[in-house]
Amino acid sequence: DGGITQSPKYLFRKEGQNVTLSCEQNLNHDAMYWYRQDPGQGLRLIYYSQIVNDFQKGDIAEGYSVSREKKESFPLTVTSAQKNPTAFYLCASSASGLERSYEQYFGPGTRLTVT
Amino acid sequence: GENVEQHPSTLSVQEGDSAVIKCTYSDSASNYFPWYKQELGKRPQLIIDIRSNVGEKKDQRIAVTLNKTAKHFSLHITETQPEDSAVYFCAASDPNFGNEKLTFGTGTRLTIIP
Repeated sequence: DGGITQSPKYLFRKEGQNVTLSCEQNLNHDAMYWYRQDPGQGLRLIYYSQIVNDFQKGDIAEGYSVSREKKESFPLTVTSAQKNPTAFYLCASSASGLERSYEQYFGPGTRLTVT
Repeated sequence: GENVEQHPSTLSVQEGDSAVIKCTYSDSASNYFPWYKQELGKRPQLIIDIRSNVGEKKDQRIAVTLNKTAKHFSLHITETQPEDSAVYFCAASDPNFGNEKLTFGTGTRLTIIP
């Protein structure tokens, strides 16, 4: 079963704790992304990675960190420095190369609640 | 960076009528404009996209038009059906990062009234 998966679906944490969200894909895509979705604000880019061992900040990177040690995996850590971490987090991936489609394939999302 | 504005935020149409959603973008160098559909409780999925060298693209009941001079693009859905009810997002690519970095609009919640 090919695709992009995120776990867990729901995550609850206490304020002040770091938490890591998982994102895995078996589509052989080079590029991966993390978005945050809040009501009325669309999808905002947190971080993205075009290739293994390289990543760039998106529009709202403060309080988040990522790693890209494997092509298949792009975990996101929500640190205690993120002031409003409660949100729905979406991971996505896309192909690279000269003949690539720019379509981004999304995972099912993780809803994080911090109290 | 790129700024994308999307209107309206909500839209209700009678089944069988047409729906139009409009977006504007700020960077004239943007060259890729996708539309994503997100049904309730599901992940966003690409429904149609257009590149800057094309003015219009159609796929069955959906079409996208692009006006580069005015920096706006629109999604048109004809003969709407109940399964068209969803949130629709437009996006524009950031020309400084190829077409891999997208800026999304804030979304339009489309409701089809039976």
